[in-house]
Amino acid sequence: QSVLTQPPSASGTPGQRVTISCSGSSSNIGNNSVYWYQQLPGTAPKLLIYRNNQRPSGVPDRFSGSKSGTSASLAISGLRSEDEADYYCAAWDDSLKVFGTGTKVTVL
Amino acid sequence: QVQLVQSAAEVKKPGASVKVSCKASGYTFTSYYMHWVRQALGQGLEWMGIINPTSGITTYAQNFQGRVTMTRDTSTSTVYMEVSSLRFEDTAVYYCARDPALYTWFDAWGQGTLVTVSS
Repeated sequence: QSVLTQPPSASGTPGQRVTISCSGSSSNIGNNSVYWYQQLPGTAPKLLIYRNNQRPSGVPDRFSGSKSGTSASLAISGLRSEDEADYYCAAWDDSLKVFGTGTKVTVL
Repeated sequence: QVQLVQSAAEVKKPGASVKVSCKASGYTFTSYYMHWVRQALGQGLEWMGIINPTSGITTYAQNFQGRVTMTRDTSTSTVYMEVSSLRFEDTAVYYCARDPALYTWFDAWGQGTLVTVSS
């Protein structure tokens, strides 16, 4: 049911920068805010980015979000071992919440 | 602190119903909308619907209309999500998630409730 497309995996060594893309359409990303959630193994998702590029209190500034047209991206700079997790983008699409397919980030 | 505590794991037979609870604490229950999201094992996230804790008004994703019912009890700050006519493919972890305004972001999540449908 996912209508937002993400790469299945991404990886990097500690300290590197990793970028995750999220592709949608005019009915979701194109006309609404994008959100990013981090899901550590065996835990519930956690809000990472809201309103395209805003970080909730407590989220390190190593995480940044951006949006252009019908696509968005999440960047993780200064990659750390604790960043190893699944990442999901999300947006609203005519009162339906749509999530991305998810990207597993591995720290090598 | 904000907490959403969900009920324990359930095992149900196909065709049965399951009701999952989500008890909120640490904030004003009626000031935030509540959503339900499910995740099949090893799979992605799927939005199920939303309930307004003040009015009880609900909106369900099309995939779940007719099989899912969301309710709330303001006296105990608890929301409930019931799925009827369970199928094997309903086996998943079900999460409640808080929304600070209508159709925005989910800033707090329950710990998840595993529902297993097995004969």
